[in-house]
Amino acid sequence: DTGVSQDPRHKITKRGQNVTFRCDPISEHNRLYWYRQTLGQGPEFLTYFQNEAQLEKSRLLSDRFSAERPKGSFSTLEIQRTEQGDSAMYLCASSPGVGRVWETQYFGPGTRLLVL
Amino acid sequence: RKEVEQDPGPFNVPEGATVAFNCTYSNSASQSFFWYRQDCRKEPKLLMSVYSSGNEDGRFTAQLNRASQYISLLIRDSKLSDSATYLCVVTNAGGTSYGKLTFGQGTILTVHP
Repeated sequence: DTGVSQDPRHKITKRGQNVTFRCDPISEHNRLYWYRQTLGQGPEFLTYFQNEAQLEKSRLLSDRFSAERPKGSFSTLEIQRTEQGDSAMYLCASSPGVGRVWETQYFGPGTRLLVL
Repeated sequence: RKEVEQDPGPFNVPEGATVAFNCTYSNSASQSFFWYRQDCRKEPKLLMSVYSSGNEDGRFTAQLNRASQYISLLIRDSKLSDSATYLCVVTNAGGTSYGKLTFGQGTILTVHP
């Protein structure tokens, strides 16, 4: 399977715990995006990487959230001191990053987080 | 006001019906427009891009009116397999917002026998 992969697919945690999610983009895709989707809503942008550089962060990304893409390949999203409001589907997407603003973004299957 | 607004539905239609979804966006700087489809508990997938001249892909027709900041999707001859959530999506170019997608809340479609 050469699509975007995410791990884990599901995560249940207790409030106050830290969680980390991983995203592996399509091979050689330079751009990587994280989105969050809550029930009944469309995905909302969290952050974006061009290779290893994090170029934009949404105001939704509080200080408890951190994302990295250290070698320009896979990315991790960490949530510290989780809150019940963090319960959502966390989606990763990638695109080739060759210059066109309307590049198709390919989404991974998502990580579904439930904070108890 | 949300940047992209859609009628959430749900739309319940019989097989073979024609159904239309509407979407408005608030940022006049928006440059690219799409419809994504999302099946229950799955990731969004690109259905089609939307151009000012209108475009058609089989039973699906998308239209864009930049003056009114309005996007539409028409599905003809609905199939059971068309049941899904349809997401209206825009992108805004400029600065570092390169390719960031802004989604509407989605419109739920259920096609019944």
